[in-house]
Amino acid sequence: DGGITQSPKYLFRKEGQNVTLSCEQNLNHDAMYWYRQDPGQGLRLIYYSQIVNDFQKGDIAEGYSVSREKKESFPLTVTSAQKNPTAFYLCASSIRLAGGLTDTQYFGPGTRLTVL
Amino acid sequence: QKEVEQDPGPLSVPEGAIVSLNCTYSNSAFQYFMWYRQYSRKGPELLMYTYSSGNKEDGRFTAQVDKSSKYISLFIRDSQPSDSATYLCAMSAGTYGGSQGNLIFGKGTKLSVKP
Repeated sequence: DGGITQSPKYLFRKEGQNVTLSCEQNLNHDAMYWYRQDPGQGLRLIYYSQIVNDFQKGDIAEGYSVSREKKESFPLTVTSAQKNPTAFYLCASSIRLAGGLTDTQYFGPGTRLTVL
Repeated sequence: QKEVEQDPGPLSVPEGAIVSLNCTYSNSAFQYFMWYRQYSRKGPELLMYTYSSGNKEDGRFTAQVDKSSKYISLFIRDSQPSDSATYLCAMSAGTYGGSQGNLIFGKGTKLSVKP
């Protein structure tokens, strides 16, 4: 089955620790995205990558880092510099729409990160 | 003014009711419009996609776009308890390969359909 997987589903971190969230897709999508979702805040874009070995900052990139060494994988590291990391993290990937130019994004199941 | 505005609800309706969910936006360059459904503690799933103005129907769901008013709607007919979820609108200006192609999301409307 094609899809996007995220692991782990739940993650607990102590203050001052870096943690890495995994995102893998087997949809052969070129672009991948990381969002953060907080209650009442909607989805906020952290980083995105439109091609392997290239990525751009989104609206709230401070305290996060990413890599895109393979088309299928786009891991997100939450560093100790992120002041309020407790949130639900969503990974997405996208294709071109038939006849259009924009992206329809498909989401993974999410990782809930809690800082203790 | 935020780029995309969406009433967070919660919205509670009886089973079988017609549900209307709405978003307004300020960027006249938006031309691709989507609706996502998100169940609690799950990732969003794409429900409907519309390009430019007009209507699109898929089963019990109808998406409408009025670009002149900068207003989009999702209608759910014969609503079911299984429709209880948060509904997110999303839109973009297009142009794959540039940041203008990135989706801008509403904050979501929480819907509860009571049996």
